Amino acid sequence: NAGVTQTPKFRVLKTGQSMTLLCAQDMNHEYMYWYRQDPGMGLRLIHYSVGEGTTAKGEVPDGYNVSRLKKQNFLLGLESAAPSQTSVYFCASRASRREQYFGPGTRLTVL
Amino acid sequence: AQSVTQPDIHITVSEGASLELRCNYSYGATPYLFWYVQSPGQGLQLLLKYFSGDTLVQGIKGFEAEFKRSQSSFNLRKPSVHWSDAAEYFCAVGSPGGQNFVFGPGTRLSVLP
Repeated sequence: NAGVTQTPKFRVLKTGQSMTLLCAQDMNHEYMYWYRQDPGMGLRLIHYSVGEGTTAKGEVPDGYNVSRLKKQNFLLGLESAAPSQTSVYFCASRASRREQYFGPGTRLTVL
Repeated sequence: AQSVTQPDIHITVSEGASLELRCNYSYGATPYLFWYVQSPGQGLQLLLKYFSGDTLVQGIKGFEAEFKRSQSSFNLRKPSVHWSDAAEYFCAVGSPGGQNFVFGPGTRLSVLP
């Protein structure tokens, strides 16, 4: 099992550009999550999904959109990137009533 | 609403010394509790978890944690720290049947040779 994978690992964007981050899991987990991690802020939940075709807002959803068209994939989109979205993004997945498994992260810089 | 506090932002210990990282949570019932570790530039790795039963749980890398309901705490301990334990440690709480976990702000551990 590959577990949770994230693509890409690094990305540099200019302000106003768009991009999509891909998260894939091969553990047949129902729940998937997108977090951002900033120095001194810990992990903050952006969006999450409780199953294929469902998404919900987390703590800091503004400026992001998500889609879960397939159970194994959870996409995070930035329509118009801003410097405030410079961060490390982590995806996680879990089964019901179980712990989260994390991907290796995507380091995004917005200039 | 759930919340998690980790009172210590940064802790420095000498190699071979014992370690205790504090975690306090706020939740109306018995939560699920977790400790994760993050090495620089890496993702989060689960150290240990508590769902129910024995309040002293053993994890990987020689770590253990004790759930104390009366103190709403889930402190992480290790009897003898190794240099490779230097990392950031996150406590997290989840509600049984709930959808989300809440993470604490993290404690950065430095280990002196």
